[in-house]
Formats: sequence, C-alpha cells, structure tokens
Amino acid sequence: DTEVTQTPKHLVMGMTNKKSLKCEQHMGHRAMYWYKQKAKKPPELMFVYSYEKLSINESVPSRFSPECPNSSLLNLHLHALQPEDSALYLCASSQVGGLGGYTFGSGTRLTVV
Amino acid sequence: EDKVVQSPLSLVVHEGDTVTLNCSYEVTNFRSLLWYKQEKKAPTFLFMLTSSGIEKKSGRLSSILDKKELFSILNITATQTGDSAVYLCAVTKSTASKLTFGTGTRLQVTL
Repeated sequence: DTEVTQTPKHLVMGMTNKKSLKCEQHMGHRAMYWYKQKAKKPPELMFVYSYEKLSINESVPSRFSPECPNSSLLNLHLHALQPEDSALYLCASSQVGGLGGYTFGSGTRLTVV
Repeated sequence: EDKVVQSPLSLVVHEGDTVTLNCSYEVTNFRSLLWYKQEKKAPTFLFMLTSSGIEKKSGRLSSILDKKELFSILNITATQTGDSAVYLCAVTKSTASKLTFGTGTRLQVTL
C-alpha cells in the first residue's frame, strides 16, 4: 500500500463546531505531517509527528489540536475555527528524516462559515 | 531563516515547447531537494535530488541539482496540456524531518 488516505474530502463547518480530520497510511512510515495550503500558495507546515510523538509545532493556534493515536493514524481536531482557516489541509508521511521521500494524501478542503 | 525561491512565478507556453523551471535555496544543513507537481489536490512526487550534477529523468521530465550554486532546474520537453499544473520545489534538512516549500511555478500549456 503506497497511499495516504484522508477523510473527509470536503468539510463545511460553523465557527462553533467541533470536527476532526483523519489521515491513514500503511507504508510503515514513522513520521507524519499536517500542512495547510491556501489558494495559490505553497503548503505550509503545521505539525510533525516522529515515532508518534509531536516533534514540531509551527506556532499553530490552539484551535487546531493534532493527535497521533498509533503509527498509522494522524488526526487533526478542529474547534472554534475562523473563516480565515478555510484551506486545503494536506497530510503527508515519510520515513523519519525524510529518506525515501514524502507521500501526500489528497487533502481535505475545509470551509469555515 | 531558510529560503526556497522559485522562478518564474508563472509561465504560459505552447504545446510542444520546452520549459525550464528554477529553484534556488538557502538552507542550513541541507539534505535533499524534491520536485512535486500539483494539479487540483495532492502534490505528486517527481524527483528527489541529493547529489550535485547527477541528472534524474522520467519521460519528458528531467532535473539536476547544483549544490555549489544552491539551485536546481526542472526541464520539461515537448510539453503537453496535461503538464499544466503548479510545480513545487521543496528542501529537507538533515536536522529536521520536514519539507520546506518554495513559492511554486504555475505552468499553463496551451494548444
């Protein structure tokens, strides 16, 4: 299996809602990432997990809460988001250190209303 | 601060043309440079470059890295409309397991 699967593909949520984005990989990768991509901009790193532990948090607001329950799963919990948080959220995985490259999921397009 | 800069920002060519996309970087503890193609959603992997001067090829696409001058180029020959996309360059460091992306080059291939 050489895929990273993200669900849902699309999500519309209100500013008072709580929702979660899910990411799954079965490539044996022990590093997983969340990126945020606004329209016509490159992906921006949010979080990195290495060996199921949070290793990088790029000063992301606390309304975004990552979780890595096991080596195959990565979640992003969303609460009290703002309309400017609307974006494409991409999950990626790799071997720790990035050797062998990074595989991206197809993303969740999030709209906050 | 690490920097990855791509040029041009956008490009319109006719089908059959050859294009060269540029990526320059200033990164401490550089490990590798990667090229991705992004159409609607997920960036799809094209090349990973770690050594200077060794060209990587896949069909009509090729890429090379110059670690002395700190840049890479991505060449696409005999372009097709299906090559229309944003091409992203990204670098990795030996001290951190993450990708840092450049601004991207938006390529449009017209008939």
